[in-house]
Amino acid sequence: DAKTTQPPSMDCAEGRAANLPCNHSTISGNEYVYWYRQIHSQGPQYIIHGLKNNETNEMASLIITEDRKSSTLILPHATLRDTAVYYCIVRYNDYKLSFGAGTTVTVRA
Amino acid sequence: SQTIHQWPATLVQPVGSPLSLECTVEGTSNPNLYWYRQAAGRGLQLLFYSVGIGQISSEVPQNLSASRPQDRQFILSSKKLLLSDSGFYLCAWSVQIGGTYEQYFGPGTRLTVT
Repeated sequence: DAKTTQPPSMDCAEGRAANLPCNHSTISGNEYVYWYRQIHSQGPQYIIHGLKNNETNEMASLIITEDRKSSTLILPHATLRDTAVYYCIVRYNDYKLSFGAGTTVTVRA
Repeated sequence: SQTIHQWPATLVQPVGSPLSLECTVEGTSNPNLYWYRQAAGRGLQLLFYSVGIGQISSEVPQNLSASRPQDRQFILSSKKLLLSDSGFYLCAWSVQIGGTYEQYFGPGTRLTVT
């Protein structure tokens, strides 16, 4: 599996966009980028995934660089309920996911 | 819509006692099922996964075992709990969608071994 690097923590102001970076410089051509988040004391929640094109859904947008060595998850209007640990995972089309330490995002009023 | 249930939500067990955690999924057929453990302040560790009834794969050696007696039922067991078995246990399911797999997690069971 390609290894991912995320900042350990970041703060964001409520109502502003939160941009979460992830480096995956060893990603191979058939590996997808997945994002999950885990709110305290709950199970992880799927957010979005992509291969090379940018993706958007009702929760977030995923921007993948052209060389695919990094990506950014964008929460367009962060709310207090978005406070969570965000995991960036790179995986081939396989049903097993490996969760690292993630980024602890704190949204402040 | 699909839902996943886990019980109990919390459990306190003495060392050496047995364990049985149950997970059931509704609204889908032949899902892949998973058991994860999360120690306090740590990431998730995949313990077991199953691609079908009676098919269990173990990711790490331990004193836990898993069984899948029915298509949408996944059970995590232990004959004798250790202190190190304490943690947050999560069940998840996934199906292939458009060439990729998305995993959906249950609410978890917080186990404290005393």
